[in-house]
Amino acid sequence: GAVVSQHPSRVICKSGTSVKIECRSLDFQATTMFWYRQFPKKSLMLMATSNEGSKATYEQGVEKDKFLINHASLTLSTLTVTSAHPEDSSFYICSARDLRTGSNEQFFGPGTRLTVL
Amino acid sequence: GENVEQHPSTLSVQEGDSAVIKCTYSDSASNYFPWYKQELGKGPQLIIDIRSNVGEKKDQRIAVTLNKTAKHFSLHITETQPEDSAVYFCAATKYSGGSNYKLTFGKGTLLTVNP
Repeated sequence: GAVVSQHPSRVICKSGTSVKIECRSLDFQATTMFWYRQFPKKSLMLMATSNEGSKATYEQGVEKDKFLINHASLTLSTLTVTSAHPEDSSFYICSARDLRTGSNEQFFGPGTRLTVL
Repeated sequence: GENVEQHPSTLSVQEGDSAVIKCTYSDSASNYFPWYKQELGKGPQLIIDIRSNVGEKKDQRIAVTLNKTAKHFSLHITETQPEDSAVYFCAATKYSGGSNYKLTFGKGTLLTVNP
C-alpha cells in the first residue's frame, strides 16, 4: 500500500519559536493532503486541506497565519507552526490522497509529537 | 455538516471473543465509511472500508456492515487477539468527485483484548 512519512517524529521547542513538520508521500503522487491535530485520548480534528498548486483550505477556527501550510510538490506538504505556544503542543498527523486513482482512501502518516515548553 | 457518533468509548474482551463497535452518521448523502486502527503514538491505519452501494464487507477476521436506512455502520472483529488492542476510529464522508473530500471521524473506541 501507499506510504506516507512525517518528519520529525518528535520535536520539542521553546515558546515563541517556529516549527516545521514535513509530510511526504513515498510511492505515489499526492494531489491532496490533509493536516490533522489530535489531543490525548481524542479524535482527529481536521485543520486544513491542501491541493497541489493551490492555497490550503483551513477549517473554521484554525488560524491560517499561525499554521502555515505549503503543498510544495506532488510528494511534499509542510506545516509550520509559527510562534509556538504551550497550547500548540499536540500530535499532528498528515494524510495524503491520490485523486487520479479515483480512490477514496486517505493514507496517514505516523504523526509528529510537538511539545512546546 | 456530518456528525459521527461512535460507541462504546472503551471495550474490553477476552482473547478469542468477538468485538463490535458501532457508529451512526447524520448525513444521508455520505457514501464512504472507513475504519482505522491507531496504536499508541502512531498514525491511523486503514483496516477496512465500505461504500454505500454494499451492505457488508469482510476481510479475514474483520467485517463491516452498513445500514443506510438507519444510517449506522458497525465493525466486527472475530477471534480477537492481544495485538488487536488499539484505538479504533470510524469515519464517514460524502465523496462526490474532485477535491472536496473530508473525513468526519468518530471519537474512537479503546479496545483491550485480555490474554
